[in-house]
Amino acid sequence: DGGITQSPKYLFRKEGQNVTLSCEQNLNHDAMYWYRQDPGQGLRLIYYSQIVNDFQKGDIAEGYSVSREKKESFPLTVTSAQKNPTAFYLCASSIGGQGRTVGQPQHFGDGTRLSIL
Amino acid sequence: QQQVKQSPQSLIVQKGGISIINCAYENTAFDYFPWYQQFPGKGPALLIAIRPDVSEKKEGRFTISFNKSAKQFSLHIMDSQPGDSATYFCAASDFGNEKLTFGTGTRLTIIP
Repeated sequence: DGGITQSPKYLFRKEGQNVTLSCEQNLNHDAMYWYRQDPGQGLRLIYYSQIVNDFQKGDIAEGYSVSREKKESFPLTVTSAQKNPTAFYLCASSIGGQGRTVGQPQHFGDGTRLSIL
Repeated sequence: QQQVKQSPQSLIVQKGGISIINCAYENTAFDYFPWYQQFPGKGPALLIAIRPDVSEKKEGRFTISFNKSAKQFSLHIMDSQPGDSATYFCAASDFGNEKLTFGTGTRLTIIP
């Protein structure tokens, strides 16, 4: 079955530690996204990538970094500079690319819940 | 500023009733308006979406109503069922921008 796989489901970070969240998709989608979800604040965009080896900052990129070396993978690193990392992190993908038409849905993984130790 | 305002924050509806969630937007360039449904511990799933060239779209018990002049759109869930209890998000994007702007979500509870 095609879809988006996020791992791990739960992650704990110690003070001063960087942690990396995995996101893999087998939908052959060009575009991938990372969102942070906090209670009462909806989904806020951290980073997005429209094509391999290219990515752009979203609305809340400070304290986060990403890479896009392969089409199917878009890992997110939460660095020690992110002072309030406790949240539910969601990865998504959409067809994107030059074939984009109006109204492309984003498909989401089941998230990683990050907490501070 | 690209914003989508969603209300109410929470909603309790009796089984068999109609659930209505409203969203308003500011950016007139928005041309795609999806609704997502999210269950606890899961990622959001696309429920239904509309483009501004139509005023209403219906899929089963779910209907989107769209008012372009008022810059508002709403989700109606007919014959609401306990299985519909979830958090619902509206969103919007424009053709030149892949990014979705999300509302803050509505927690819907259907009671027997």
